[in-house]
Amino acid sequence: DVVMTQSPLSLPVTLGQPASISCRSSQGLVDSDGTTRLNWFQQRPGQSPRRLIYRVSNRDSGVPDRFSGSGSGTDFTLKISRVEAEDVGVYYCMQYIHWPHTFGQGTKLEIK
Amino acid sequence: EVQLVESGGGLVQPGGSLRLSCAASGFTFTNSWMSWIRQTPGEGLEWVANIKPDGSEGYYVESVKGRFTISRDNAKNSLFLQMNSLRAEDTAVYYCATTLGGVWGQGTTVTVSS
Repeated sequence: DVVMTQSPLSLPVTLGQPASISCRSSQGLVDSDGTTRLNWFQQRPGQSPRRLIYRVSNRDSGVPDRFSGSGSGTDFTLKISRVEAEDVGVYYCMQYIHWPHTFGQGTKLEIK
Repeated sequence: EVQLVESGGGLVQPGGSLRLSCAASGFTFTNSWMSWIRQTPGEGLEWVANIKPDGSEGYYVESVKGRFTISRDNAKNSLFLQMNSLRAEDTAVYYCATTLGGVWGQGTTVTVSS
């Protein structure tokens, strides 16, 4: 299985400060059509996961523009430009080019 | 409103069976790959199974092959997961979701214990 490795696993952040989460895959995620199959999810406490970013860098509808995704090959990053209280939760990267699709371990963002 | 609503979870003894259901609304279910994903506190999120839009083929994670069966009824906008020979390690919250992850249900809890 493709292993998705996130870091850090715990991320204490001061309100208004930036945050960055890294995700590394054990295999490449580029499909034959050139699309990179990597999504990011947010899971707030007590809620289901919610997709934030699809295909590395595309924000889902309703996702604030303080969230951005980047990367290529096997290295990807989710950035929050200014953390707000509602951003508390666990963030996951996920690859969906290789079966079984796999998630990273999750990064828990908390407010300092 | 785009929505997925799971049902059918509960407490079952090891070796028992359970059938999960998921009702879809607000999007074109018949055109969508669908999935079951489970979450445990210790193991995080694990993809369980996918099914093609026409229901002709399902794909399973190795740990559930031969025990779980994913199916769908496009006429009723419904997705199912038949779980047989359940084990303690199948204990989890099970989510129904579109395969690209754009839509998730609220989850249903399955507990396998004697």
